[in-house]
Amino acid sequence: GAVVSQHPSRVICKSGTSVKIECRSLDFQATTMFWYRQFPKQSLMLMATSNEGSKATYEQGVEKDKFLINHASLTLSTLTVTSAHPEDSSFYICSARDAGLAGGRTNEQFFGPGTRLTVL
Amino acid sequence: AQSVTQLGSHVSVSEGALVLLRCNYSSSVPPYLFWYVQYPNQGLQLLLKYTSAATLVKGINGFEAEFKKSETSFHLTKPSAHMSDAAEYFCAVGDTGRRALTFGSGTRLQVQP
Repeated sequence: GAVVSQHPSRVICKSGTSVKIECRSLDFQATTMFWYRQFPKQSLMLMATSNEGSKATYEQGVEKDKFLINHASLTLSTLTVTSAHPEDSSFYICSARDAGLAGGRTNEQFFGPGTRLTVL
Repeated sequence: AQSVTQLGSHVSVSEGALVLLRCNYSSSVPPYLFWYVQYPNQGLQLLLKYTSAATLVKGINGFEAEFKKSETSFHLTKPSAHMSDAAEYFCAVGDTGRRALTFGSGTRLQVQP
């Protein structure tokens, strides 16, 4: 089945540093990937839509200069949290849309296991 | 525009009892509807999906959901709860476009022994 991986699964960093999170579709090509943020005991909030070979589309209120997204290939999207601060601590989840199979018709998306970011 | 409302942020049932998690949606186009389950510190796992075929959808782990257009609902049920069903459940709506899914606020299911 369609598998999406994220790396790292957990990261702790100091305030002011940058952190890169990778999202990979392991057995399918994903022209579109999505990045979500989830605060404790809350739902997923869409941050941005990542399209292969083009600029990401950010949701209102998400700073594109702070959350850099790169979708350089059909299987990899990266989210870089620049100059991280404690308020950026959260659970970041990516999903990928498999345009080649059922996802192309039903918009089914496959989710990565998430990355827990803690900024000290 | 699409939206999802999940009634009840917390639901507690006894082991062996019926599970009912409510989801109502709003969509200007025929929707695709999904239920996901999330265990602590993990990503989302697809339980089932409605894609305009049968209105009664069967998923994994004994869960099923019924799409009712007249009620704009897609409630999730399971006849007999198991301790391992304790988790957070999210209802989501999508459309035929390339946009992200819209999630409900989630319902935490507790299963009492």
